[in-house]
Amino acid sequence: LAKTTQPISMDSYEGQEVNITCSHNNIATNDYITWYQQFPSQGPRFIIQGYKTKVTNEVASLFIPADRKSSTLSLPRVSLSDTAVYYCLVAFNAGKSTFGDGTTLTVKP
Amino acid sequence: DGGITQSPKYLFRKEGQNVTLSCEQNLNHDAMYWYRQDPGQGLRLIYYSQIVNDFQKGDIAEGYSVSREKKESFPLTVTSAQKNPTAFYLCASSIYASGGHNEQFFGPGTRLTVL
Repeated sequence: LAKTTQPISMDSYEGQEVNITCSHNNIATNDYITWYQQFPSQGPRFIIQGYKTKVTNEVASLFIPADRKSSTLSLPRVSLSDTAVYYCLVAFNAGKSTFGDGTTLTVKP
Repeated sequence: DGGITQSPKYLFRKEGQNVTLSCEQNLNHDAMYWYRQDPGQGLRLIYYSQIVNDFQKGDIAEGYSVSREKKESFPLTVTSAQKNPTAFYLCASSIYASGGHNEQFFGPGTRLTVL
């Protein structure tokens, strides 16, 4: 299993770009990288998934360097509603991935 | 309207009783999962199922049981053998368990309190 390391917490202000990095030094060749967002008392919500290089969707971008030993979730122009816990998962089989404790992002006005 | 439903939202049980949590999905997903979340912590995998009539233990399966008789349903039973069952339980599903479509979609959760 690929072990992931994320910062425990981050602070930002409204309108700023936020980058959350996840380290996964022992990622396997066929592992995918997936990010989720969770609000209190709710189930996590899928944000974005990637395998290599850059992936972008309507809410975020995911940057993956060539060695794939880390990944960075980029949230453009955050708002107060982006305050949540963000999880990075690395696995080929989702049943063998671990959510960990995630990164608590606090967006301030 | 597609999605995952869990019922009930809140559940109270007396110590020593078994309780079954419901999880239904109409997304036609092959894989389903059960997680437990304690306050201030991440999610821990209890069981997952990659296909009907098949399931595997996760990291904390002791004291829990599951069945997968239908593609759309994956009920979780919390037995009296589970030492500390009070927690927030989350069910999820994904198109497949493996590969590039293994992103999980979660239900709203069931908060179980054992008195």
